[in-house]
Amino acid sequence: AQTVTQSQPEMSVQEAETVTLSCTYDTSESDYYLFWYKQPPSRQMILVIRQEAYKQQNATENRFSVNFQKAAKSFSLKISDSQLGDAAMYFCAYYSGGSNYKLTFGKGTLLTVNP
Amino acid sequence: GAVVSQHPSRVICKSGTSVKIECRSLDFQATTMFWYRQFPKKSLMLMATSNEGSKATYEQGVEKDKFLINHASLTLSTLTVTSAHPEDSSFYICSASFSGPFAQYFGPGTRLLVL
Repeated sequence: AQTVTQSQPEMSVQEAETVTLSCTYDTSESDYYLFWYKQPPSRQMILVIRQEAYKQQNATENRFSVNFQKAAKSFSLKISDSQLGDAAMYFCAYYSGGSNYKLTFGKGTLLTVNP
Repeated sequence: GAVVSQHPSRVICKSGTSVKIECRSLDFQATTMFWYRQFPKKSLMLMATSNEGSKATYEQGVEKDKFLINHASLTLSTLTVTSAHPEDSSFYICSASFSGPFAQYFGPGTRLLVL
């Protein structure tokens, strides 16, 4: 079974600085998708960024970028120029296939942004 | 686009009563809907996956007779917690998908408190 591990239960960053959240996963599949979701205090889950495993280029969305290391099964999220609104729980998620599009989530990392 | 709503956002009920939570895709047709449960500061736990017009697929350990799921149309799925007990108190989140793993959109969640 696939597993997703987020080894940092909590992280903090100063406003305007950069922070990296870690995620590793275990799979025997070669084709899959990886996601980072953000859950702010409102608890609305928001898709931050996604990466297709077959793509070598790391995904980027404005201040958010990933470092995807397929061989190491690592998928870290880098947040640049951190803003107070970035404070949230961040979940790494994995999908490997099948018609039901079921996601496997990590346990999450709580990010605090200090002014 | 791709908005998912949930109703109610918060519900308090007495032990032994049943509670229905609705999940609607407002501007797209959701071929698959998911129901999650989330405890405070924890990750999302998938309860079941439902496809329109067919029976839901429940995850291991989830009582299908207690958590009734109906996906009657491409825009509506309902979760009914039958004979609710205090241990059923939780945050329930639905999500909907229409075109693959990168199109899973989440509702804002429903907080259930059983007294």
